[in-house]
Amino acid sequence: AQTVTQSQPEMSVQEAETVTLSCTYDTSESDYYLFWYKQPPSRQMILVIRQEAYKQQNATENRFSVNFQKAAKSFSLKISDSQLGDAAMYFCAYRSANWGAQKLVFGQGTRLTINP
Amino acid sequence: NAGVTQTPKFQVLKTGQSMTLQCAQDMNHEYMSWYRQDPGMGLRLIHYSVGAGITDQGEVPNGYNVSRSTTEDFPLRLLSAAPSQTSVYFCASSYSNPGPSTQYFGPGTRLLVL
Repeated sequence: AQTVTQSQPEMSVQEAETVTLSCTYDTSESDYYLFWYKQPPSRQMILVIRQEAYKQQNATENRFSVNFQKAAKSFSLKISDSQLGDAAMYFCAYRSANWGAQKLVFGQGTRLTINP
Repeated sequence: NAGVTQTPKFQVLKTGQSMTLQCAQDMNHEYMSWYRQDPGMGLRLIHYSVGAGITDQGEVPNGYNVSRSTTEDFPLRLLSAAPSQTSVYFCASSYSNPGPSTQYFGPGTRLLVL
């Protein structure tokens, strides 16, 4: 079974600075997808960024980028120019690429605080 | 589109009571699922469905039942609520096609079992 581990329960960063959230995973599959979800105080789960394992290029979405290290099974999220609105819980998630396999496996989450 | 809707937003139950958490989506998604979120444990999969009439168990299915009679609806039933079922429940849906299809989450239902 696949597992996802986020070893940083809490992180904080100064506004406008850069912060990196860590995520490691364990799987025997070679093809899969990885996601970062943001959960603000409203509790709504919002997709931040996703990465296909077969792609060597790291995904980027505006101020959000990932460092995907397939051999090390590591998938970190970098937030540049942190803004107050980035304060939230962040969850790393894994999904198999097998047909019909839509189940997400989540990490424990990292609570990110932005200091003004 | 309303997306994924969940009702109620908040519910208090007494131990032993039963209730149904409702989930509906208007995006014609084949795949629907239920997760529970507990502090320090992320989201864990309870049950899921790949289409009308097809359901299967996830990681933590005990104490919960589901059925999928239509594409749009996927209710979660607690037959005899226990304090251990106090949690926040999320419904999610997506297409079942290959590729990293986005899962859309509902706003969540907060359940307190006394």
